[in-house]
Amino acid sequence: AQSVTQPDIHITVSEGASLELRCNYSYGATPYLFWYVQSPGQGLQLLLKYFSGDTLVQGIKGFEAEFKRSQSSFNLRKPSVHWSDAAEYFCAVALLQAGTALIFGKGTTLSVSS
Amino acid sequence: DTGVSQDPRHKITKRGQNVTFRCDPISEHNRLYWYRQTLGQGPEFLTYFQNEAQLEKSRLLSDRFSAERPKGSFSTLEIQRTEQGDSAMYLCASRPPRTSGSPHNEQFFGPGTRLTVL
Repeated sequence: AQSVTQPDIHITVSEGASLELRCNYSYGATPYLFWYVQSPGQGLQLLLKYFSGDTLVQGIKGFEAEFKRSQSSFNLRKPSVHWSDAAEYFCAVALLQAGTALIFGKGTTLSVSS
Repeated sequence: DTGVSQDPRHKITKRGQNVTFRCDPISEHNRLYWYRQTLGQGPEFLTYFQNEAQLEKSRLLSDRFSAERPKGSFSTLEIQRTEQGDSAMYLCASRPPRTSGSPHNEQFFGPGTRLTVL
């Protein structure tokens, strides 16, 4: 069965430091991949997406992610974290057989220390 | 605001009561999705509509759950005889029609309805 794994439940990063959030997927073919961010009391906001082509994708708020087929990974990165980046981050895979419903990982909570 | 809206934002109910949630998608988005998110988990797919047709339901959608999208615009999700295990955030998302230039448009999420069953 298709699945998404986010190995880190909670990460704390100092403001200004770099960030990498890990995501691994299990899927029979190259999936459509997404990263969403959820702030308290807010809905999910799309940061970036990968469908095909260049494996390094740029998103909003200075985030980027790299698709590595050999590692079945789609890690999210940011070179310099801001306090406002504190939120919960979800990696998701498109489930094509079910009307493109998304399968989400369990999420990684990011805390930013000053 | 032209985003996805959900009503109510919060609902507290007693076990055994029925509840109904509403989702208004972004105008002209023909696909609408419902997800459930419990504490410490990512959202889990419940069901989706293309226009007014309900095309897919997950195994999570028990017989106590029913969803409708009567005119292909807003949608409702009803839970009958609520149980404490139904306590969760219920998220709605919508998606524009698929186009050749963007074969897999992203889903746009609403703020969710948080249900607490006492």
